Amino acid sequence: NAGVTQTPKFRVLKTGQSMTLLCAQDMNHEYMYWYRQDPGMGLRLIHYSVGEGTTAKGEVPDGYNVSRLKKQNFLLGLESAAPSQTSVYFCASSYGPGTGVVGYTFGSGTRLTVV
Amino acid sequence: AQSVSQHNHHVILSEAASLELGCNYSYGGTVNLFWYVQYPGQHLQLLLKYFSGDPLVKGIKGFEAEFIKSKFSFNLRKPSVQWSDTAEYFCAVIPNFGNEKLTFGTGTRLTIIP
Repeated sequence: NAGVTQTPKFRVLKTGQSMTLLCAQDMNHEYMYWYRQDPGMGLRLIHYSVGEGTTAKGEVPDGYNVSRLKKQNFLLGLESAAPSQTSVYFCASSYGPGTGVVGYTFGSGTRLTVV
Repeated sequence: AQSVSQHNHHVILSEAASLELGCNYSYGGTVNLFWYVQYPGQHLQLLLKYFSGDPLVKGIKGFEAEFIKSKFSFNLRKPSVQWSDTAEYFCAVIPNFGNEKLTFGTGTRLTIIP
């Protein structure tokens, strides 16, 4: 009973280091999303993808890059981490509009600290 | 673009008290509405959702929400809270048509005192 799996669950980075967060879903969902969650700000959309090979910017895309080479995977990259990127990152997936099924499935989150 | 407002940032209640958390959205067309809950250290879980039909929606764990279109509101209610309801609650909205991007409110932290 997998759903959406995020790796790693925790990570501490030094300023300037790079890393990639992996999101994998086994529900054949077309749409995938990366959100960051910060206290008092709710969840804000970083980037999203409407299908394999596509990506689009969300509300707070600066400092992040994404790739969707395979339908089931959505990668979030930080090329040069900054303390402002300390956050909890959530991946989500959905079938997308026009399918009659609305709603997201969320991963368990990645807690990232940049020192 | 749509937006969601949750005016209660932190609510503290005693066990058995009644709960109502406010949610207002801004969007010119028809929408789907959701309430998610996040227990400490966990990911978001769907409490309930509204698509169409009966504006009073019942969810898991005794929660319900009422969609009032004229007020652009989707408030969450529970008649008698338990200590285990301590969590953060997020209201979210998706337009009925167009790209499906879920927009969240800033969340309400609920603390239940035993």
